[in-house]
Amino acid sequence: AQSVTQPDIHITVSEGASLELRCNYSYGATPYLFWYVQSPGQGLQLLLKYFSGDTLVQGIKGFEAEFKRSQSSFNLRKPSVHWSDAAEYFCAVGVMDSSYKLIFGSGTRLLVRP
Amino acid sequence: GAGVSQSPSNKVTEKGKDVELRCDPISGHTALYWYRQSLGQGLEFLIYFQGNSAPDKSGLPSDRFSAERTGGSVSTLTIQRTQQEDSAVYLCASRLIGHEQFFGPGTRLTVL
Repeated sequence: AQSVTQPDIHITVSEGASLELRCNYSYGATPYLFWYVQSPGQGLQLLLKYFSGDTLVQGIKGFEAEFKRSQSSFNLRKPSVHWSDAAEYFCAVGVMDSSYKLIFGSGTRLLVRP
Repeated sequence: GAGVSQSPSNKVTEKGKDVELRCDPISGHTALYWYRQSLGQGLEFLIYFQGNSAPDKSGLPSDRFSAERTGGSVSTLTIQRTQQEDSAVYLCASRLIGHEQFFGPGTRLTVL
């Protein structure tokens, strides 16, 4: 069965520090992978996505993620965190039947220290 | 252009009552999804509509939950005889081509 694991429930970083949020997936074929961000009281906003090709993908707001098939991982990174990045981050895999429904990880809440 | 909209933004109801939640997808988007976000279960898929095809209802947690999509546009999620465990944020998303889903702001449902 498909699944997504985000092992870190909370992460706290200082403003200006680098960030890496972990995501591991279980899927039988080449996955479609996504990172979404949710600010308090808001819906989900797509940060970036991987379908095929270059395994390092760039997204909005200075985020990037690297697909590593050998590790079944799709970690999200940012070189310098801003206070406005404080939010909850969700990794998801797209189910490749006709629906492309998303299976989400449990999320990682990012706190940013001034 | 306008994004996905949902109404109401908040709904408080009493246990046993029925509720209807509405989703207006992005104009022209043929695919529409409902997800539920709750403390205990995280974000989980409920139901998927694509054009005139039969919906994928595989995520609906019980027969108290139903949804319809009229005219290929607006969708309504109905929960009958609400229970406290139905308290959650209900998110709607739509998709055109490709695989990116655009999410609405959600409806926060509280069952007292």
